[in-house]
Amino acid sequence: DSGVTQTPKHLITATGQRVTLRCSPRSGDLSVYWYQQSLDQGLQFLIQYYNGEERAKGNILERFSAQQFPDLHSELNLSSLELGDSALYFCASSVETGKETQYFGPGTRLLVL
Amino acid sequence: GESVGLHLPTLSVQEGDNSIINCAYSNSASDYFIWYKQESGKGPQFIIDIRSNMDKRQGQRVTVLLNKTVKHLSLQIAATQPGDSAVYFCAERPSGGNTGKLIFGQGTTLQVKP
Repeated sequence: DSGVTQTPKHLITATGQRVTLRCSPRSGDLSVYWYQQSLDQGLQFLIQYYNGEERAKGNILERFSAQQFPDLHSELNLSSLELGDSALYFCASSVETGKETQYFGPGTRLLVL
Repeated sequence: GESVGLHLPTLSVQEGDNSIINCAYSNSASDYFIWYKQESGKGPQFIIDIRSNMDKRQGQRVTVLLNKTVKHLSLQIAATQPGDSAVYFCAERPSGGNTGKLIFGQGTTLQVKP
């Protein structure tokens, strides 16, 4: 158990819908990262938040957005969902924002029908 | 562009043998490298990391080797056990920008035969 929690574990929804994925980092960690894992793209970095502020952006679609709240938990919002958005979404956390180990949560499996 | 690739998509070894999983990275500016293990249905689990000012680092039953000249990273697992069966990912973090963005390789499946 990494100490990072994610909810829900599974999510099934329809195209065009909007969903919110939730992540609670390890106690004391200030950075939260979101990654997408699909069969054809592997693990792709989406976005990083550090202490409530956006720190880095990867190949995140405009339909996706994230935020980190004062209690440091984070949410990833996916809207206008398409079939291709079906994937595993992982959250990771680290103490700071430099070269520290990132610990991953168990992921949310999203299926868009 | 940025990419991290693995030489072998699947590695099959006998229980008790040593395993070597290889990884090539393309970003010479990366200065931090990590190996993760991912079991079916779980998130990536940290195994070992290495900074670019080192060429070898050892953990419990695992060793990571870094060859910056040829931009190659390897993970050695000693006395491989059935519980080591999983997908292994290498990841690199480009230096600069003070971000934690990781670039992952495609992964190698390790199969341990009893």
